[in-house]
Amino acid sequence: KAGVTQTPRYLIKTRGQQVTLSCSPISGHRSVSWYQQTPGQGLQFLFEYFSETQRNKGNFPGRFSGRQFSNSRSEMNVSTLELGDSALYLCASSFDRGRNTIYFGEGSWLTVV
Amino acid sequence: KQEVTQIPAALSVPEGENLVLNCSFTDSAIYNLQWFRQDPGKGLTSLLLIQSSQREQTSGRLNASLDKSSGRSTLYIAASQPGDSATYLCAVGVTDKLIFGTGTRLQVFP
Repeated sequence: KAGVTQTPRYLIKTRGQQVTLSCSPISGHRSVSWYQQTPGQGLQFLFEYFSETQRNKGNFPGRFSGRQFSNSRSEMNVSTLELGDSALYLCASSFDRGRNTIYFGEGSWLTVV
Repeated sequence: KQEVTQIPAALSVPEGENLVLNCSFTDSAIYNLQWFRQDPGKGLTSLLLIQSSQREQTSGRLNASLDKSSGRSTLYIAASQPGDSATYLCAVGVTDKLIFGTGTRLQVFP
């Protein structure tokens, strides 16, 4: 069974641009969440989607947004990129909300220059 | 506000040693606690999930315990191997998100 798949794996963007990252969850998983990992802040929760609806959101500015499609695939978008947005963005999926094991993808490395 | 702390931040041991990694959290109102492993430049690999009603979980050479009342979890690694070298992260599950500790970087040398 395929794991959580994230694309692209690596990307470099310029300040002010926007970026879209994609995540395909494990087949049958309905909950998708996103995390940002930086050396300074560690792993921080961005948002969680379930049944195409954002159910929970972390403490990030409105430049960070996402969506989930009917097949549970998810995308996150960051607009007006800042240098501080350089990070590893991790997508995770679980079968249901709350109490199940959460599985992570390999992440998308974003560098903003 | 839930805070998760991991001690030690780094650990370097010879192969064969038994290890204990510690995780503490400030709010006992958690759904579960999950231990992950992260290799450099990679995503997170789930190791063990302990539900809030459980006391411990075991998988191979790994054993994780949970004491909700004291806000503590330990990950025990038996007979460590160089392949165990990685960063180990604990995360508490609260209202449909995970709150992570800062991790313990483990190096096991031959």
